[in-house]
Amino acid sequence: GQQLNQSPQSMFIQEGEDVSMNCTSSSIFNTWLWYKQDPGEGPVLLIALYKAGELTSNGRLTAQFGITRKDSFLNISASIPSDVGIYFCAGSPGNQFYFGTGTSLTVIP
Amino acid sequence: NAGVTQTPKFQVLKTGQSMTLQCAQDMNHNSMYWYRQDPGMGLRLIYYSASEGTTDKGEVPNGYNVSRLNKREFSLRLESAAPSQTSVYFCASSEGSPNLYGYTFGSGTRLTVV
Repeated sequence: GQQLNQSPQSMFIQEGEDVSMNCTSSSIFNTWLWYKQDPGEGPVLLIALYKAGELTSNGRLTAQFGITRKDSFLNISASIPSDVGIYFCAGSPGNQFYFGTGTSLTVIP
Repeated sequence: NAGVTQTPKFQVLKTGQSMTLQCAQDMNHNSMYWYRQDPGMGLRLIYYSASEGTTDKGEVPNGYNVSRLNKREFSLRLESAAPSQTSVYFCASSEGSPNLYGYTFGSGTRLTVV
């Protein structure tokens, strides 16, 4: 099955810094989703993107659907300790979602 | 506020034992899914049920069976557990197509097969 390349694998940042992560695929996708997973919990949907070039925000989070339709980006501004967790992307060409391997974010107070 | 409920949260099995992972959702969602999560890999789809009464194989169905008991419940059965099935299992549901609605995930079942 298809796997998405998500980078970076992990990030250690100071509280207040901005964060950027991305996800790329070898195929064109119609939908991109971004999830956050806290330890011991299931992923929770943060943002959904439905067309190329789309830019969508959810509080301090902003995600973009890449113009090539093969990538997506997630930015977190002014990070806070509760942003700690693993962030997953998921993309779908239309029939099934494929998930990235996750970016582990640690925020140092 | 329950959403998707999975039981048990943790389980240790011996190789060859069988067990059923339970999943129930209270959001009146049509579609339900079983994923496994392994270190260094993205979530992989085991089986899904697009609606009550239907089930279909996902990417990694071997060694598993499922039952969509009713609209609320979707169980995953391991008939003869193997160490390769050590994983965290997530059940998810979607109101319709996840392309439109995304998934709502349960909190997972951590399974170890020794």
